[in-house]
Amino acid sequence: KQEVTQIPAALSVPEGENLVLNCSFTDSAIYNLQWFRQDPGKGLTSLLLIQSSQREQTSGRLNASLDKSSGRSTLYIAASQPGDSATYLCAVKYSNSGYALNFGKGTSLLVTP
Amino acid sequence: NAGVTQTPKFRILKIGQSMTLQCAQDMNHNYMYWYRQDPGMGLKLIYYSVGAGITDKGEVPNGYNVSRSTTEDFPLRLELAAPSQTSVYFCASSYEVSSYNEQFFGPGTRLTVL
Repeated sequence: KQEVTQIPAALSVPEGENLVLNCSFTDSAIYNLQWFRQDPGKGLTSLLLIQSSQREQTSGRLNASLDKSSGRSTLYIAASQPGDSATYLCAVKYSNSGYALNFGKGTSLLVTP
Repeated sequence: NAGVTQTPKFRILKIGQSMTLQCAQDMNHNYMYWYRQDPGMGLKLIYYSVGAGITDKGEVPNGYNVSRSTTEDFPLRLELAAPSQTSVYFCASSYEVSSYNEQFFGPGTRLTVL
């Protein structure tokens, strides 16, 4: 079964720290991988999309990497701020799984002042 | 652009009632999707559509129906609501399915069935 796993499930860091969120997937045949942010009671905001041919994408303080051979992606957040507190979701579009995005359960991040 | 919009934001249903969750997008996207998110779980695909008049089942379609009469709208119908359908429902859209096309999500509808 094609699965997506996110570790850790929850993370608490002091403001200013750099941090890494991890996502692993079970099949290297992917179209792309998306990182989303979800605030409590809200919808999903797309942060970064990495195509299967790319190794990384950057947006502001966010950097996402992709290693298909090892089935891993990381989301690096530099100089974390309390406003970064949210749940971060990793979603993989597998090449042979129809039209669905396969989501992990998310990492709940708390950045304390 | 409003992006993907969903109504209502919240709804409480009694067992056996029916309702329609509305979804619309103004980005001229061909593909539209309905997902559900249960507490502590990843989102699961309910139904999807590749264009007006074309719909198909996703991973968890039982108890739901959809239609796609226009490019913009993709309503989700719940018939005979059951407590197992208590969830948060997200509608999403994309221009096409390719390596560079991301899915855009609406704000969600929080449904409780009692």
